[in-house]
Amino acid sequence: DQQVKQNSPSLSVQEGRISILNCDYTNSMFDYFLWYKKYPAEGPTFLISISSIKDKNEDGRFTVFLNKSAKHLSLHIVPSQPGDSAVYFCAARVLWDDKIIFGKGTRLHILP
Amino acid sequence: SAVISQKPSRDICQRGTSLTIQCQVDSQVTMMFWYRQQPGQSLTLIATANQGSEATYESGFVIDKFPISRPNLTFSTLTVSNLSPEDSSIYLCSVETYRGGNEQFFGPGTRLTVL
Repeated sequence: DQQVKQNSPSLSVQEGRISILNCDYTNSMFDYFLWYKKYPAEGPTFLISISSIKDKNEDGRFTVFLNKSAKHLSLHIVPSQPGDSAVYFCAARVLWDDKIIFGKGTRLHILP
Repeated sequence: SAVISQKPSRDICQRGTSLTIQCQVDSQVTMMFWYRQQPGQSLTLIATANQGSEATYESGFVIDKFPISRPNLTFSTLTVSNLSPEDSSIYLCSVETYRGGNEQFFGPGTRLTVL
């Protein structure tokens, strides 16, 4: 049973446009959500997070939106840059549990 | 932040043998985690390794197959035993820190191919 779902395995976006990566979850006990970015041959790096008490968190070009009623979150990258080409993992956790549950990832290609 | 190194970065092993992966962190951390990423799959937690106690394994993972050592606060090893082709995967070490909020850092991963 996949608790964190990233239904798009890949996404291609023109440089300078907005990239939107989507993530759905099933466990209503999740109260903290994270996005990680992974380049080939490297471990995932933390990108941005959001607590369930918020519906938006912004950090530079990256904004994460959370819709708790829909159990959906999205990562917006604007403007998209070539260095953003990577695999993006959505992840979630329950505050009292140290375990993080990851989605399968979405590979983002930024086109020149 | 925490800087994590893993050895080896990749290996090709024969069926039935074992591979031990080392994880070194540049600072003392309480909690270390071992993950596996099989081709086309998400990162899956294998076990949590706390210094001074037995590792805690997730459902589907057992100590006989994935023995873990945690001799101190900066080092851990994961052994993948009795290898089969299904064990071909990337294995990642991860640590969690609480400086300025919960953050999780990952090592570069070890790519294991079992023939």
